[in-house]
Amino acid sequence: NAGVTQTPKFQVLKTGQSMTLQCAQDMNHEYMSWYRQDPGMGLRLIHYSVGAGITDQGEVPNGYNVSRSTTEDFPLRLLSAAPSQTSVYFCASSQVGGVGYEQYFGPGTRLTVT
Amino acid sequence: AQKITQTQPGMFVQEKEAVTLDCTYDTSDPSYGLFWYKQPSSGEMIFLIYQGSYDQQNATEGRYSLNFQKARKSANLVISASQLGDSAMYFCAMREGRQGAQKLVFGQGTRLTINP
Repeated sequence: NAGVTQTPKFQVLKTGQSMTLQCAQDMNHEYMSWYRQDPGMGLRLIHYSVGAGITDQGEVPNGYNVSRSTTEDFPLRLLSAAPSQTSVYFCASSQVGGVGYEQYFGPGTRLTVT
Repeated sequence: AQKITQTQPGMFVQEKEAVTLDCTYDTSDPSYGLFWYKQPSSGEMIFLIYQGSYDQQNATEGRYSLNFQKARKSANLVISASQLGDSAMYFCAMREGRQGAQKLVFGQGTRLTINP
C-alpha cells in the first residue's frame, strides 16, 4: 500500500514551459486535491475532485488545469509556467462523506520556475 | 476573513516542557472538523490529531492533546513532555461540513523549536 505518490520530486522549468505533476493513490479515495505551499506559509488549495470526472477550483486555481479520468490519478498541469508558481506542491486524498476523514498527503514536488 | 489563525510564528521551548500551540478558527457551519499536522524539515505532512465539532471530549493521541473551546472558537494543540524530534512546523486546519466541502483550509503555521 503506497498511499499517495507524486512525481517528480524536484523540477526546474523555464518561464513559459508547460508540465504535468503526477499524483496517484491506491486507497480508493474519492476525494483528491492539490495544494501549493509557498515559503513560510500554510497550504493553499489549487483544485480538487470528489470523484472521477468531477473537478472544481480551490483558492488559487489560475494557471493550473486538472482532470480526473480515474479514481487513482489526479494530474496537475501547468499551462505556461511563471516564476510566481515556484512552490512546493502537495497532492492529498481522503474519503468523502464526513468532516472527520483524514487527508493523506503525498511527499510533495518542489518546483522552481526561472 | 481568515478562517484559521495561528498567531505564533515561532516558539522556543526547553526539552521535556509542555507546549501549547494556538489556533483560532472562524466558521458559521455547525459541522466542522479541526486537524493538526506536523511538517518536519524533510517536508512531509504528518497528521497528528483530529477534533470534530460535535465531539464532547477533547481529542488525545499519545503526547498530543487538543484543547477545544468551542465558544471561543479555539483549538489549541498541547504537546506534553516535548522532545527534540518535535521541532517542526505545525499547521492547524479546518474542514467545514457543507455539501461537497471536503476542502481543508490551513493556517500559516507555527515553527516550534525544542532546545536541549
